[in-house]
Amino acid sequence: GAGVSQSPSNKVTEKGKDVELRCDPISGHTALYWYRQSLGQGLEFLIYFQGNSAPDKSGLPSDRFSAERTGGSVSTLTIQRTQQEDSAVYLCASSLTSGASDEQYFGPGTRLTVT
Amino acid sequence: QKEVEQNSGPLSVPEGAIASLNCTYSDRGSQSFFWYRQYSGKSPELIMSIYSNGDKEDGRFTAQLNKASQYVSLLIRDSQPSDSATYLCAVRPSGGSYIPTFGRGTSLIVHP
Repeated sequence: GAGVSQSPSNKVTEKGKDVELRCDPISGHTALYWYRQSLGQGLEFLIYFQGNSAPDKSGLPSDRFSAERTGGSVSTLTIQRTQQEDSAVYLCASSLTSGASDEQYFGPGTRLTVT
Repeated sequence: QKEVEQNSGPLSVPEGAIASLNCTYSDRGSQSFFWYRQYSGKSPELIMSIYSNGDKEDGRFTAQLNKASQYVSLLIRDSQPSDSATYLCAVRPSGGSYIPTFGRGTSLIVHP
């Protein structure tokens, strides 16, 4: 079946512009996670959704970052007034639920470059 | 702070050898453990999960879990050059929101 999809695959934007990144999870998966990975770095947790609710936003780096999920499916991560340090690969993952044993499956990522 | 530690490597092994990748974690109550493979420029791909002490085999891959020692490993038998990648260990904590903590990964190089 279809895996997690993300769009766009690449985004180049000027410093100060807003960007929206989209994630479409595996059908039936209720939990959705956003991570980012800077060059040569580990995965940094940003936010997760269970259904349309975001119980844990602890990883969002600043108030320029926000995310929403509608219909228990597609999620959008928005970065306002982008900065060069926002350049990274933004990864979305989904799992059947947010339970302790559930496996996460990752999308291909969106590579964001802020010039 | 829940931590997952991996040797960054690179771990270099000859083709056909067994590659052994190790991971330690700090949260003693953790229940779920996952290994991912990440090729350069790609996203992480789930290899396998393990939940109980002991070994779990899937093809050329064997995951080993020792909760008493807070240690999980991944063995790759008959390593191939196509196995060259970064291997990430992930641990779901025992409580709270079950957000997995990822290690920084071990770079594996399999040379012909």
